[in-house]
Amino acid sequence: ETGVTQTPRHLVMGMTNKKSLKCEQHLGHNAMYWYKQSAKKPLELMFVYSLEERVENNSVPSRFSPECPNSSHLFLHLHTLQPEDSALYLCASSQDLAGGTETQYFGPGTRLLVL
Amino acid sequence: KNEVEQSPQNLTAQEGEFITINCSYSVGISALHWLQQHPGGGIVSLFMLSSGKKKHGRLIATINIQEKHSSLHITASHPRDSAVYICAVRQQTSGSRLTFGEGTQLTVNP
Repeated sequence: ETGVTQTPRHLVMGMTNKKSLKCEQHLGHNAMYWYKQSAKKPLELMFVYSLEERVENNSVPSRFSPECPNSSHLFLHLHTLQPEDSALYLCASSQDLAGGTETQYFGPGTRLLVL
Repeated sequence: KNEVEQSPQNLTAQEGEFITINCSYSVGISALHWLQQHPGGGIVSLFMLSSGKKKHGRLIATINIQEKHSSLHITASHPRDSAVYICAVRQQTSGSRLTFGEGTQLTVNP
């Protein structure tokens, strides 16, 4: 247990569906991250939030919409996804953004399949 | 070409063997991380290094900043060490953003 939980763990959706991924951290951290992990590819950073403000949007298509209502919760809203969006979506948190000494704690991920 | 390269991509070992996984990077970094990802997907941070060497149980991580190279060693390997090991670097200009290698799939057979 890393102190970061994600729900659901598995999700199958059609291209016209709307769904949301949820991440919650119980560590009192100020920064949260969404990553995408596709098969045979390195982890890709999608979004970074610090103190509930988005500080990085890594050229992610608008069909992915993040929301950070407070420093403990992070959502990723999904709509009109494509089959190539099928991947493992990982949430992480760290104490703060600044400096080079922050360890990121990862959740277990949501495995998404878009049909 | 990735900024972070790992070798080998796949590694199979017998229980008890000494294992080395390598990571080379091409950018200036402020820190390097080794992560472990089990088949279920969850990722655990093993080490964060900015110089020298760190040891935790049977795991040892070293980094050579001049050569832009790091190694992760596992002594007396065990089947439960089977996982994907990922190297990630924090670039000097990127704040908290990590750049990841593709990972090394390790299988330790009994």
